[in-house]
Amino acid sequence: DTEVTQTPKHLVMGMTNKKSLKCEQHMGHRAMYWYKQKAKKPPELMFVYSYEKLSINESVPSRFSPECPNSSLLNLHLHALQPEDSALYLCASSYGRAVVDTQYFGPGTRLTVL
Amino acid sequence: GQNIDQPTEMTATEGAIVQINCTYQTSGFNGLFWYQQHAGEAPTFLSYNVLDGLEEKGRFSSFLSRSKGYSYLLLKELQMKDSASYLCAVRDGAAGNKLTFGGGTRVLVKP
Repeated sequence: DTEVTQTPKHLVMGMTNKKSLKCEQHMGHRAMYWYKQKAKKPPELMFVYSYEKLSINESVPSRFSPECPNSSLLNLHLHALQPEDSALYLCASSYGRAVVDTQYFGPGTRLTVL
Repeated sequence: GQNIDQPTEMTATEGAIVQINCTYQTSGFNGLFWYQQHAGEAPTFLSYNVLDGLEEKGRFSSFLSRSKGYSYLLLKELQMKDSASYLCAVRDGAAGNKLTFGGGTRVLVKP
């Protein structure tokens, strides 16, 4: 299994809603990442979890709340988002301590905030 | 911080060769990755360089010169399906091995 899966594929939410994005991998990877990607722009790192501990938070607003319940799962909880938060949210994973440590990306969740 | 530059767009003909350049400045260089991303899809890993020289993988090759802060991705025998964005990403060992992406180069392959 060399796949990172993400659900849902598409999400439309209002500014007062609470929703969650989910990411799962079964490659034995111990590092997991959330990226945000706007149209025609590169992915921007949001959070990194290493061995289920948050290791990097790129000064992301608190309306985005990550969670890593176990080594295979990564969630991103969303609350009180703004229309400018509409983007493709990508999850990635890697071994975490390998020399090369290639990150493998999931298909993303396309989020629209109304 | 990091500064990663690559051309915005390139156009090439099916069957031809295209070279996508990437220049970077980083304090703790710890590897350079190339990813391919088709519109609306996730980036997929193409290649990795950490030592100077050329890495070849089928129709794709990637080159690195650490002293010049320079890499290129070479796509040979272009096919229509190679139309995509190509992202150069640098890993910074001085920042927790964080991966920072360049703006991406959109390659359009014409018949």
